[in-house]
Amino acid sequence: SQQGEEDPQALSIQEGENATMNCSYKTSINNLQWYRQNSGRGLVHLILIRSNEREKHSGRLRVTLDTSKKSSSLLITASRAADTASYFCATDARAGGTSYGKLTFGQGTILTVHP
Amino acid sequence: NAGVTQTPKFQVLKTGQSMTLQCAQDMNHEYMSWYRQDPGMGLRLIHYSVGAGITDQGEVPNGYNVSRSTTEDFPLRLLSAAPSQTSVYFCASSNYPDSPLHFGNGTRLTVT
Repeated sequence: SQQGEEDPQALSIQEGENATMNCSYKTSINNLQWYRQNSGRGLVHLILIRSNEREKHSGRLRVTLDTSKKSSSLLITASRAADTASYFCATDARAGGTSYGKLTFGQGTILTVHP
Repeated sequence: NAGVTQTPKFQVLKTGQSMTLQCAQDMNHEYMSWYRQDPGMGLRLIHYSVGAGITDQGEVPNGYNVSRSTTEDFPLRLLSAAPSQTSVYFCASSNYPDSPLHFGNGTRLTVT
């Protein structure tokens, strides 16, 4: 089952613009993570936000979490061509406690940044 | 550090053949997992391990077998390959139960 649903499925912008991706999930969570995947490569962790946090920043990345709406957003500011990749949200369900690496991934947003 | 290493990078099998996808990590991580990635489906968990000698099933375990005899290695065995197992397989590891995953670069498997 897919816990996370991402929106939009694809996003095309110009360099310098901001990119916003959204993720919705169904069950209570301990934390929500965002990953990036370049074509033909493995996923790379970007940022983790815990259920008791509302906002987190890392460089040009800003993540928000609204547990009442079961949703999160990832904002990439001042995008670059090198940001072109697929972006995935992943959640670990609260039920049973810790995740042990058992994450549930969304289907991803394909971001294309044109130079 | 090499991180998480997966071999082979590409593999073509005929229906009914068996093979083992290798995964090794050099970060002394206790937690390891296998995911498959299919178009439009995101990643789905196949099996995971919380330490040497301890494994459990994920969301889509049928047709796959795992064992964890050492902390470093977590091989995934396809017992009798089927076309439905055509996918990209990723191995991942983490050092704490709720910490981010480190992924390998994947094995692209085609079953004809």
